[in-house]
Amino acid sequence: AQSVTQLDSHVSVSEGTPVLLRCNYSSSYSPSLFWYVQHPNKGLQLLLKYTSAATLVKGINGFEAEFKKSETSFHLTKPSAHMSDAAEYFCVVSDPGNTGKLIFGQGTTLQVKP
Amino acid sequence: NAGVTQTPKFQVLKTGQSMTLQCAQDMNHNSMYWYRQDPGMGLRLIYYSASEGTTDKGEVPNGYNVSRLNKREFSLRLESAAPSQTSVYFCASSEEHRRANYGYTFGSGTRLTVV
Repeated sequence: AQSVTQLDSHVSVSEGTPVLLRCNYSSSYSPSLFWYVQHPNKGLQLLLKYTSAATLVKGINGFEAEFKKSETSFHLTKPSAHMSDAAEYFCVVSDPGNTGKLIFGQGTTLQVKP
Repeated sequence: NAGVTQTPKFQVLKTGQSMTLQCAQDMNHNSMYWYRQDPGMGLRLIYYSASEGTTDKGEVPNGYNVSRLNKREFSLRLESAAPSQTSVYFCASSEEHRRANYGYTFGSGTRLTVV
């Protein structure tokens, strides 16, 4: 069965410093992986996705993630945090059984301090 | 282009009351989904509809029913609301369930409180 574990429930960084949000996945198949962002009281927005093409995936707003099969990881990074990055981030894996279901991690809240 | 539209945005129910959450998409997507979001638990799938005319249970279907009214609309019904159903509900759609690796489009959510 597929599963996703986000290793930190809360991450705090200072504006201008790097961001690292960690995600490990479990999958018997070649997974499709996503990062979604949710700003307070808003819906979810797709940041980036990995679908078995390049292992380094670039997304919106300067975020990127690297798929590492040997480590079963898909960590999200950004070189320099901005105040507007403060939000909740979800690592997501797709169910490969042609059902279209997405399996969500528990979420990581990113706090950006001035 | 509105994407996925959910109504209402907020609702307070008394225990035992019923209500229907509405969802409509204008992207000609085949597949639609209902999720609930609870603190520390991410999003959990309630029901989904791979295509018009079909519906299937997700991870947490108990206490809910759904109707795929047509290709655009997918409603979620609570027949007898319970406090455990207090949550934020998200509707989402995707081009086709086999192509979910292209991601979903989410609505902005319905915040439901059952007292």
